[in-house]
Amino acid sequence: DTAVSQTPKYLVTQMGNDKSIKCEQNLGHDTMYWYKQDSKKFLKIMFSYNNKELIINETVPNRFSPKSPDKAHLNLHINSLELGDSAVYFCASSPSTGRPRVEQYFGPGTRLTVT
Amino acid sequence: GNSVTQMEGPVTLSEEAFLTINCTYTATGYPSLFWYVQYPGEGLQLLLKATKADDKGSNKGFEATYRKETTSFHLEKGSVQVSDSAVYFCALTPMNSGYSTLTFGKGTMLLVSP
Repeated sequence: DTAVSQTPKYLVTQMGNDKSIKCEQNLGHDTMYWYKQDSKKFLKIMFSYNNKELIINETVPNRFSPKSPDKAHLNLHINSLELGDSAVYFCASSPSTGRPRVEQYFGPGTRLTVT
Repeated sequence: GNSVTQMEGPVTLSEEAFLTINCTYTATGYPSLFWYVQYPGEGLQLLLKATKADDKGSNKGFEATYRKETTSFHLEKGSVQVSDSAVYFCALTPMNSGYSTLTFGKGTMLLVSP
């Protein structure tokens, strides 16, 4: 069983479009994250939710809007896509107990290409 | 602020060679330290971790020791295999963080040839 899943795996779209990426975890965790990995493999936190509540928002343009319908899901909606949004987006989750020392579990990533 | 510095890659080795990937960090107090591995086309997997000074994390033949005095967490393996070819990320979570917010290094690509 996949622990953290993301859909779609690949997303190719044109500038100006709006798109969503979905993430689901079946680990029973209550904290979820979105990371962006650029073309040089650098990973940076974008958002974190705990029990459906936004707890971290790392100066991401407001064209990016995360939504957490329940603690097992964290979706990422992107409006007015730009060329610079092309990257691999990773979802992750972790339990809240034992933090900050617990590890995060990552999904397989969604490669977004904006043309 | 918190930061992680890793050696630049790619690191190119022959099978059965000894591996060291250097990692140093900047953070207040005692952060938790992690090594994640990303195989081609896949997401990140936790390789090992250490949560206090002098702890040694180990997994799959890889080891790293939390050195507070040198603020380092170098990754080592005695004999690499072709299947170890991947990108390795050193990361930390600050001690005073209420949440497991990871700060990553830039990653080091390892290429192992037969």
